[in-house]
Amino acid sequence: GAVVSQHPSWVICKSGTSVKIECRSLDFQATTMFWYRQFPKQSLMLMATSNEGSKATYEQGVEKDKFLINHASLTLSTLTVTSAHPEDSSFYICSASNSGNYGYTFGSGTRLTVV
Amino acid sequence: AQSVTQLDSQVPVFEEAPVELRCNYSSSVSVYLFWYVQYPNQGLQLLLKYLSGSTLVKGINGFEAEFNKSQTSFHLRKPSVHISDTAEYFCAVSRKNNNDMRFGAGTRLTVKP
Repeated sequence: GAVVSQHPSWVICKSGTSVKIECRSLDFQATTMFWYRQFPKQSLMLMATSNEGSKATYEQGVEKDKFLINHASLTLSTLTVTSAHPEDSSFYICSASNSGNYGYTFGSGTRLTVV
Repeated sequence: AQSVTQLDSQVPVFEEAPVELRCNYSSSVSVYLFWYVQYPNQGLQLLLKYLSGSTLVKGINGFEAEFNKSQTSFHLRKPSVHISDTAEYFCAVSRKNNNDMRFGAGTRLTVKP
């Protein structure tokens, strides 16, 4: 079945630094990938939709200059949290859409802690 | 845009008892509906989905859900739960021909011995 690999699974970084999270579709081509953010005991909030070869579409209230998304190939999307601050600490989850077979596959998530 | 309401934030239940997790959605167009399970510090695992056809959908781990268009509901059920079913459950909706998926707030299912 469709598999999405997300790395790293957890990361701790210092305030002011940048962190890159990778989302890879291992056995299918993902024309569209999604990035979600989840605070403790809360639901997933869609941050942005990433389309291969074009700019990402950000949800209202999400700073595109802070959360940089790159979807340079059909199997890889990256989310870079720039100049991270403690309030950016959260659980980030990606998902990928397989256009050939409707459905979504989620990565295992990345726990980001900014100290 | 479409939206989802999960009516219960927490559902405690004893082992081997039946359970129903409620989900209502709102959308002006036809939708696809999903239930996902999330274990601590993990991603989401698809339990089942409704795309079209039969309104009763069977998923993994003995779960099933019924799509009710008139009541705009998609409640999740299991006739007999296990301790291992303890997790967070999310109902989600996406519009047909549109990829973005919206999640409910989640229901914490706790199965007690």
